[in-house]
Amino acid sequence: DGGITQSPKYLFRKEGQNVTLSCEQNLNHDAMYWYRQDPGQGLRLIYYSQIVNDFQKGDIAEGYSVSREKKESFPLTVTSAQKNPTAFYLCASRPAGTANTGELFFGEGSRLTVL
Amino acid sequence: AQKVTQAQTEISVVEKEDVTLDCVYETRDTTYYLFWYKQPPSGELVFLIRRNSFDEQNEISGRYSWNFQKSTSSFNFTITASQVVDSAVYFCALSEWDGNKLVFGAGTILRVKS
Repeated sequence: DGGITQSPKYLFRKEGQNVTLSCEQNLNHDAMYWYRQDPGQGLRLIYYSQIVNDFQKGDIAEGYSVSREKKESFPLTVTSAQKNPTAFYLCASRPAGTANTGELFFGEGSRLTVL
Repeated sequence: AQKVTQAQTEISVVEKEDVTLDCVYETRDTTYYLFWYKQPPSGELVFLIRRNSFDEQNEISGRYSWNFQKSTSSFNFTITASQVVDSAVYFCALSEWDGNKLVFGAGTILRVKS
């Protein structure tokens, strides 16, 4: 089945540790996104990538890093610099050429808890 | 700057009741797109509808209907004869023409009780 796979689904991290969340898609979509979801705040954009080897900061990029070495993969690293990393992280993608007109396809999310 | 407001944090209804979820948006663009997404307990957001700013025609899809009014910058969502399976978080979102991202509202938690 085509879709977006995020892993792990649940992750616990100690303070001061970096952690990487995986996002893989087999939809052949060019654009990929990372959103953070907190209760009562909706989804906020962390990073997005429109093409391989290129990505842009979203609204809350501080403390996060990404890479886009392959079209199907867009991993997110939550670094120790992120002050409040406990949240639900959602990866999304959409086809090229749809830009603002096309809906996003979402993964099932990864819940990160910092102990 | 674009902004989406969903003033209703949580709504509880009894099955078979009709319920309307409100969405008010702000944008300086004349061309933009509005979306509704559903987030069930599994976590994955599911696309429900897209509407562009030039199409104010209301839409009905089964028990779902959407009312787009540019005069009040609103894009409200009504579920008729609600069912327990409608229980979820619903997000309204806005995308401007020259942007490359969706701006989401805070979401409305809908609880449908049997």
